[in-house]
This record gives sequence, structure tokens and C-alpha cells, in this order.
Amino acid sequence: KQEVTQIPAALSVPEGENLVLNCSFTDSAIYNLQWFRQDPGKGLTSLLLIQSSQREQTSGRLNASLDKSSGRSTLYIAASQPGDSATYLCAPFEGTDKLIFGTGTRLQVFP
Amino acid sequence: ETGVTQSPTHLIKTRGQQVTLRCSSQSGHNTVSWYQQALGQGPQFIFQYYREEENGRGNFPPRFSGLQFPNYSSELNVNALELDDSALYLCASSLFKREGTNIQYFGAGTRLSVL
Repeated sequence: KQEVTQIPAALSVPEGENLVLNCSFTDSAIYNLQWFRQDPGKGLTSLLLIQSSQREQTSGRLNASLDKSSGRSTLYIAASQPGDSATYLCAPFEGTDKLIFGTGTRLQVFP
Repeated sequence: ETGVTQSPTHLIKTRGQQVTLRCSSQSGHNTVSWYQQALGQGPQFIFQYYREEENGRGNFPPRFSGLQFPNYSSELNVNALELDDSALYLCASSLFKREGTNIQYFGAGTRLSVL
């Protein structure tokens, strides 16, 4: 059974810092992995999808890497801003469409 | 905006009642998945529908059931509500492709409170 762990559980940083959010999963036989952002009480916003054949994916200030063999993915946020404050969820795919979620990293960026 | 809409936004029910939640998929998508997110937890997969057929189910009892319609909209039905069913229910749509996986687009969710 796939289990997903995200570290740290919570993070509070001043604006401008570069951040690293970690995700580990127990079953390396995943297809791909998707990172999401969730604002309080809201739905999920897709940030990045990393294909199993890729090692990383970039979108603006976000960069996600995937190392299937070690069961790890990392989300890097450059030059953090208060608007980045949210919970970040990583979810490897089990099969082609089922996502297995961790409990997330709650990020607060203060001015 | 993901193009996935859910209704209602909030719902309050009492224990033992039945509830129906609705989801309208993004245009062109043929797969819909439902997730339950308890407070402080990550979403948990309930089930998925592809072309109106159930295509996978998580560890949820049979009182959780669903439908997908020809226009690919979907319903989640929960019978005999329990207090622990209180959660945010999320719908995700995608376009199934034979090769690879498919980006999941989520709606804003329905917040269900069971009293």
C-alpha cells in the first residue's frame, strides 16, 4: 500500500527565501507524480505534473524533481512571496488516474 | 479556474440522512474521480468513473455510490450519513489517455457537515 510523507509539516519563512518541500513515497512503482496547492477551505490547484520518464519539471518560480528509485520528490520555490502561503500536497499516481496524497506542508510566507 | 464545478458549496445534514453531491467536469474530459478530505488530512480516493462505468474504488463502504452521466457530469451519493462523513468532498476530472497518466483538475469542493 502506497504511503506518502511530506516534510516539513509546517513552515513559516520571511518573504524572499528559497524553499524546499520534501515528499517521500513507499512504492517506487509509480507512473507519475503531481504537486498541488490548496488554499484554506478550497479545492486543489495543480502546480506541476512530473512524468515518470522525467527527472524534473519547471513552471515559473517552481521546480519539482522526481527520483523514483529512492521514492522522493522535491518542490523548490524560488524567491517566496506572501501569496505563496498555502498547503502544498504531493500525490504520486497509482495506476493512470488514482492519486495517493500526503498530508501536505503548510507554508506561511510573511512580509 | 479549472473548469470543474461542484455543487452545493456547503451542506449540513443530520446523521442517518442521505446526500447527493454534484460535479460538472471540464469540457472534453471523460473521467471523474471523487475524493474525501477530512480536516487536516490529505484527500482520500473514493472512486473513479470512466465512460459511465466505475473504474476503481478506494476503501469506502458501499453506502458511498456514484454515477457518471453521458455528458460526463457526475454525482456522489452517500446513504446513512455518519458523523465521520463530515469532510470536504472533491471532484477531479481528466481526459483518459491510453499511454501515461492524466493531469487531474479539481473543483472547489463541497463542504459536508453531519450533525
